[in-house]
Amino acid sequence: EPEVTQTPSHQVTQMGQEVILRCVPISNHLYFYWYRQILGQKVEFLVSFYNNEISEKSEIFDDQFSVERPDGSNFTLKIRSTKLEDSAMYFCASISGLARNEQYFGPGTRLTVT
Amino acid sequence: GEDVEQSLFLSVREGDSSVINCTYTDSSSTYLYWYKQEPGAGLQLLTYIFSNMDMKQDQRLTVLLNKKDKHLSLRIADTQTGDSAIYFCAESGNQFYFGTGTSLTVIP
Repeated sequence: EPEVTQTPSHQVTQMGQEVILRCVPISNHLYFYWYRQILGQKVEFLVSFYNNEISEKSEIFDDQFSVERPDGSNFTLKIRSTKLEDSAMYFCASISGLARNEQYFGPGTRLTVT
Repeated sequence: GEDVEQSLFLSVREGDSSVINCTYTDSSSTYLYWYKQEPGAGLQLLTYIFSNMDMKQDQRLTVLLNKKDKHLSLRIADTQTGDSAIYFCAESGNQFYFGTGTSLTVIP
């Protein structure tokens, strides 16, 4: 069964450093998403991406964040200057098309900012 | 943003049925979902229901949707210890909004 993959599974970084979280969505999917889940809290939407551009973003997704689809397979989330409060699980997800009936999530990257 | 609420904890005995409830606010939601999250793992899509349906059954899982009251429930029949996890409901309008999650503990 096709699946969304994410690397790394755990990233530790120092405050102020840049991090890039990587995702490989399911190959024929068209819509891509990033979510985060701070420990013990709900899953929060960050950004959606379609046709090589951001289609929606939340208030959390400020200028420190950016997304990119550098080639036909990878989908990345960059945090330019990490803060302690960026520590969370980051989930990538993808959907095949407009029906939006099945959103598949990756296993997540745990980001720890020290 | 939209508000999706769930009770935080549920504890049931193995073999009993579990019912996890969820309320949401966005009446324009097209689909409503249930996801399962095991410790340290990602989100696994369990099932979803289209907003013009009121019930969907999938093996041990039954989803009930009361659109008038904006209430969604997930019933797990014959609950097993492997069902212990956090269960999230989610709604999709333009974005996905997740509930706070219900931690289900199954007592052997």
